Amino acid sequence: NAGVTQTPKFQVLKTGQSMTLQCAQDMNHEYMSWYRQDPGMGLRLIHYSVGAGITDQGEVPNGYNVSRSTTEDFPLRLLSAAPSQTSVYFCASSYGGGRETQYFGPGTRLLVL
Amino acid sequence: KNEVEQSPQNLTAQEGEFITINCSYSVGISALHWLQQHPGGGIVSLFMLSSGKKKHGRLIATINIQEKHSSLHITASHPRDSAVYICAAPGSTQGGSEKLVFGKGTKLTVNP
Repeated sequence: NAGVTQTPKFQVLKTGQSMTLQCAQDMNHEYMSWYRQDPGMGLRLIHYSVGAGITDQGEVPNGYNVSRSTTEDFPLRLLSAAPSQTSVYFCASSYGGGRETQYFGPGTRLLVL
Repeated sequence: KNEVEQSPQNLTAQEGEFITINCSYSVGISALHWLQQHPGGGIVSLFMLSSGKKKHGRLIATINIQEKHSSLHITASHPRDSAVYICAAPGSTQGGSEKLVFGKGTKLTVNP
């Protein structure tokens, strides 16, 4: 099993550009989520999904879109990048959300100039 | 909303020392997570516990549900234990158990 994979590992964007961060898991997990990690702050939930076709907002959803067309994939789209979106992004999956063991991807480091 | 607090923020120890990292939360929960993040690395789940104690190698996690408090202990610490340790708990007890709230982490440095 590859577990949770994320691409790219590192990306530089200019303000206003759009991009998609990819996340995939091969463990047949229903629950997937996107977090951002900033210095001095805990991981913050951007969006999450409890199954294919179902997504919901987390704590900091503005500027981001998600979709879940398959169980395996959960891409995160930045619509118009801003310097405030400079961060490290982690995708995670689990069988049943907060009451189950969490599996994290390796992270994507994003720099918005 | 659950508030998760960790202490200390930073911890420096000598190899071989016994380490304790604390986590407290404000809302009653069904499970608490301890995670490890090495410098520049990904995040790995160490423990998920809902009561009592769990042990894995030199790591021990305990939880006191009544006091809303959990501790992570490392026995005979080693430089390879140097990492950020993160505590996380479900966001609320009313339908929010899918969402985790994370502490800010404890940065542990173990010197040889």
